[in-house]
Amino acid sequence: QQPVQSPQAVILREGEDAVINCSSSKALYSVHWYRQKHGEAPVFLMILLKGGEQKGHEKISASFNEKKQQSSLYLTASQLSYSGTYFCGTRVREAQKLVFGQGTRLTINP
Amino acid sequence: DAGITQSPRYKITETGRQVTLMCHQTWSHSYMFWYRQDLGHGLRLIYYSAAADITDKGEVPDGYVVSRSKTENFPLTLESATRSQTSVYFCASRATLGTEAFFGQGTRLTVV
Repeated sequence: QQPVQSPQAVILREGEDAVINCSSSKALYSVHWYRQKHGEAPVFLMILLKGGEQKGHEKISASFNEKKQQSSLYLTASQLSYSGTYFCGTRVREAQKLVFGQGTRLTINP
Repeated sequence: DAGITQSPRYKITETGRQVTLMCHQTWSHSYMFWYRQDLGHGLRLIYYSAAADITDKGEVPDGYVVSRSKTENFPLTLESATRSQTSVYFCASRATLGTEAFFGQGTRLTVV
């Protein structure tokens, strides 16, 4: 079952912040975030493996609430290069497959 | 070249024909995956494989067949193509379950 992402689309001006949410009805073992530019393959951003863990690099970070089966991706002071579609992938405990959400399209305008 | 490659990049086929999409990775990753990407549905898992000769169904396996006789190859076959299988297909691989997945460049398949 696919995780649910929200919002489905976001339009921001450069420098604004964004939050993308990912939730699952199943108990999660890990959450994976990817970004896809138009016409390209998805590219890995980060993996969150523990409950409540927060990871990040530069101005992109994420949190994982294992108890609520939710993860959030935070984009701070967005740049034009952040535009794209963001996918969360989830893995339930003992499962081998990675199931992705429907994606969130992020548009950053100058 | 090192990495994960898909072929062909673009394919047009007729309804009812059999078509095979190829995926090859040079890292000897254990896990390989096939996804299809459609507007509004994101990436949906078709089949995956944990090792050579071990495959399992994903969310949308109907109409597709996979095999994995060698670790580096994971072909996806549409036995009798239908228009609903028009999509962009992505192959991915990863070394272990806790590591990042690397995606191929995708195959855009059109069934007419």
